[in-house]
Amino acid sequence: EVQLVESGGAAVQPGGSLRLSCVASGFNFGDYNMHWVRQLPGKGLEWLSVISRDGSSTFSADSVKGRFTISRDNSKHSLYLVMNTVRSEDTAFYYCVRDNTDWSFDYWGRGTLVTVSS
Amino acid sequence: QSALTQPRSVSGSPGQSVTISCAGTSSDVGQYKYVSWYQFLPGKAPRLSIYDVNKRPSGVPDRFSGSKSGNTASLHISGLQTEDEADYYCSSYAGGFNWVFGGGTKLTVL
Repeated sequence: EVQLVESGGAAVQPGGSLRLSCVASGFNFGDYNMHWVRQLPGKGLEWLSVISRDGSSTFSADSVKGRFTISRDNSKHSLYLVMNTVRSEDTAFYYCVRDNTDWSFDYWGRGTLVTVSS
Repeated sequence: QSALTQPRSVSGSPGQSVTISCAGTSSDVGQYKYVSWYQFLPGKAPRLSIYDVNKRPSGVPDRFSGSKSGNTASLHISGLQTEDEADYYCSSYAGGFNWVFGGGTKLTVL
């Protein structure tokens, strides 16, 4: 069974940093591109970043480019998102998502909550 | 403001059919066949319901179907069941390794 389990969500002050993690199981992690997607309070979903199978290529949304960094460790079946210089508008549930190879997202984790507040 | 526009809510009675629209632009929904739909249930991991406009992943009932016309995609659910009550989000590939989502639609099964 495919499982994605996020962790690392917390309350953080504006300007602070946080690292989110996602552990994958039930599939060959290194065979799939992976994404981070967030759900903003009452405002829908926002795609954040994608990383290629081997980690050599990454792309990010303009809203987080230069502040958030996606990475992965295939030996640990893990995906990461380092969030720097966080803002109040970064408050959201953050989901680890597997790429379906058809430009869709076929498996999601349950999410981890990040709250940015002073 | 989400990139794709969905109705905030739709409703139907058990056994009826509903359609949820997803309006985009010629740069996303209108240009690519990569439109997908996701079901969000409280406390559960989101679930892929439709991909590539009208393809169903294994395990998704054939009551769920998708279509696209121009810049607008649609999710159709026939024979509504109480367990279909959830939030539904559409998504489209927008080129240049960028994806956009809708604001979500709450489906109520009366």
